Amino acid sequence: QVQLVESGGGLVKPGGSLRLSCAASGFTFSDHSMSWIRQAPGKGLEWVSYIGTRGSTIYYADSVKGRFTISRDNAKNSLFLQMNSLRAEDTALFYCVRNTPSWAGGDVFDFWGQGTMVTVSS
Amino acid sequence: DIQMTQSPSSLSASVGDRVTITCQASQDISNYLNWYQQKSGKAPKVLIYDASNLETGVPSRFSGSGSGTDFTFTISSLQPEDVATYYCQQSDNLPYSFGQGTKLELK
Repeated sequence: QVQLVESGGGLVKPGGSLRLSCAASGFTFSDHSMSWIRQAPGKGLEWVSYIGTRGSTIYYADSVKGRFTISRDNAKNSLFLQMNSLRAEDTALFYCVRNTPSWAGGDVFDFWGQGTMVTVSS
Repeated sequence: DIQMTQSPSSLSASVGDRVTITCQASQDISNYLNWYQQKSGKAPKVLIYDASNLETGVPSRFSGSGSGTDFTFTISSLQPEDVATYYCQQSDNLPYSFGQGTKLELK
């Protein structure tokens, strides 16, 4: 069955860095684009970043552009998010999410990990 | 970027009630609209994709409609296990975006 297991979250000071990882299994990882989606405590969902199947197509939310870098290793079935210059407002649960094209062609977030918590505080 | 406006932000209903949530896009997104359910402490789960298609295994009391900029999500007969927060999400253009969410509670 499809599994997405995030790791790498933790407590970091403002201005610090963290690298999130997501280990994928149960499907052909290289066939799917992937996203990171976050949720601040008590708040709604915020899409953060997208990476295409080969890693050459990448998008970021304006709120993280220039600070976060998404990447993937298809040989190791892994997704990453390097987060630099972290701010208090980046405090959130970060989900690793599989994208699957629908019949119409738009991406559906069809499988989610359980998330890894990132807390930015001094 | 496309903005998604979802309403109401919360609602309270009784078991058996018909519940409706609306979502409006800031520009035409055709039918590239998905609906997710998030129960407390859990990851979201897709219920409806392409505005009106029911994800496999999702009960038929859930439905969606709309196209262009205006969309509706309906629960035909509310069940206790439907207590959750519901989100719309556009997949027409990157960056993808979600509505603010609708928290559904039992009256």
